[in-house]
Amino acid sequence: DTEVTQTPKHLVMGMTNKKSLKCEQHMGHRAMYWYKQKAKKPPELMFVYSYEKLSINESVPSRFSPECPNSSLLNLHLHALQPEDSALYLCASSQRDEENEKLFFGSGTQLSVL
Amino acid sequence: AQTVTQSQPEMSVQEAETVTLSCTYDTSESDYYLFWYKQPPSRQMILVIRQEAYKQQNATENRFSVNFQKAAKSFSLKISDSQLGDAAMYFCAYRSQNTGTASKLTFGTGTRLQVTL
Repeated sequence: DTEVTQTPKHLVMGMTNKKSLKCEQHMGHRAMYWYKQKAKKPPELMFVYSYEKLSINESVPSRFSPECPNSSLLNLHLHALQPEDSALYLCASSQRDEENEKLFFGSGTQLSVL
Repeated sequence: AQTVTQSQPEMSVQEAETVTLSCTYDTSESDYYLFWYKQPPSRQMILVIRQEAYKQQNATENRFSVNFQKAAKSFSLKISDSQLGDAAMYFCAYRSQNTGTASKLTFGTGTRLQVTL
């Protein structure tokens, strides 16, 4: 199994809603990442978890709350989002958070905030 | 901070022909890694090829090869015998050597490759 699975694939939410994005991998990877990608732009790193501990938070607003309940799962909890938060949210994993490691990406969750 | 520049927003190649995508980067570091990722319409980012900066030999993966010029800070991707399935957005990316803290992947702005019959 060399897949990173993200659910849901699409999500529409209002600014007052609370929702969660889910990411799962069963490759035994110990580093997991959240990226945000706006249309026609490159992905931008949001968070990095290494061995289930948050190691990078790229000054992301608190309305985005990551969670890594175990080594296979990564969640992104969303609350009180703004329309400008509409984007593709990509999850990725790697064996470790090392510079030479190959990142495996999921197909993303396309989020629309109304 | 490192920056990655892809000066070609769009490229087109005929099937079976060869195309080269350009990438330059700016860094003061001597040890780092460079990558080319492909993002087809399925949206999944897929690693195409990886180059270690300390290696002079250019990386190759089947029909994909790079021309790595460290002094010029240039890292171009050559796709030979282009196939329809190669149509995608291609991102060049840089990652610095891990110095004990997590390091991040910095992407260029991407080149959209179209493959025509």
